Amino acid sequence: AQSVSQHNHHVILSEAASLELGCNYSYGGTVNLFWYVQYPGQHLQLLLKYFSGDPLVKGIKGFEAEFIKSKFSFNLRKPSVQWSDTAEYFCAVNRLGKLIFGQGTTLQVKP
Amino acid sequence: DAGVIQSPRHEVTEMGQEVTLRCKPISGHDYLFWYRQTMMRGLELLIYFNNNVPIDDSGMPEDRFSAKMPNASFSTLKIQPSEPRDSAVYFCASNELAGGLTGELFFGEGSRLTVL
Repeated sequence: AQSVSQHNHHVILSEAASLELGCNYSYGGTVNLFWYVQYPGQHLQLLLKYFSGDPLVKGIKGFEAEFIKSKFSFNLRKPSVQWSDTAEYFCAVNRLGKLIFGQGTTLQVKP
Repeated sequence: DAGVIQSPRHEVTEMGQEVTLRCKPISGHDYLFWYRQTMMRGLELLIYFNNNVPIDDSGMPEDRFSAKMPNASFSTLKIQPSEPRDSAVYFCASNELAGGLTGELFFGEGSRLTVL
C-alpha cells in the first residue's frame, strides 16, 4: 500500500548531538514533502517543505531536510539539538490535495 | 489572525453518548480537514471539505461518524454512538489551496476525546 514511513519511532539524544530522522514514501510521480513538528500540548506546525528545486531544504529553528528522489526519502536533520527540540516530528506527503502523514517520531532531548 | 479554533479542548463521555466536535477555520481558507491522532495509527485523515462541500470522506471509520460544514466558518464532526475505541485527539486544519501550492495546513489545538 502507498504510504509514508518513519522508521524511528522514539529517539533519545543528549543536547548538542546531531539528529537525523528518516522518512520514506512509496508514492510515484511528483510529490510535495513536508515535516511538521508538534511540541508537547501544542498543535502541529510546519517545519519545512519541499516542492521543487534545490533538494536540500532549510526550515525553521536550524532544521533541514534532503530530498533524495532515487531513494524516495526526505530525511530531517539538525546538526546540534537543544532541549527545546523535544517534540513529535511528522513527515508528510501531499497527494492529490491530501496531506498523508507518517506515524511520527518522538524526539526526547536530555539536557 | 485567530488561527483555527476547535472546541471543546477536552471531552470525557460515556460509551453510547453522542459527541460533537466543532471547528472554525481561518477566515478565507477554502479547505477544511479533520484528522484523528492515536498512538496506534498516528495521524489519519478522516474527511475534507472544499467550499463547504465534502470532497473525500474515505477516511471516516464507519457510519457512526459524520461531518458537516454548513458554512465557510464552521464545521462539526459527530460521533453517534461513541465507543471507547474512538478515544483520540481530533484535529481540524484549514488551507487555502488544499496544500497544492503552499502546502501548509494550519492546525487547531485539537479536541482530546475520552470515551469511557
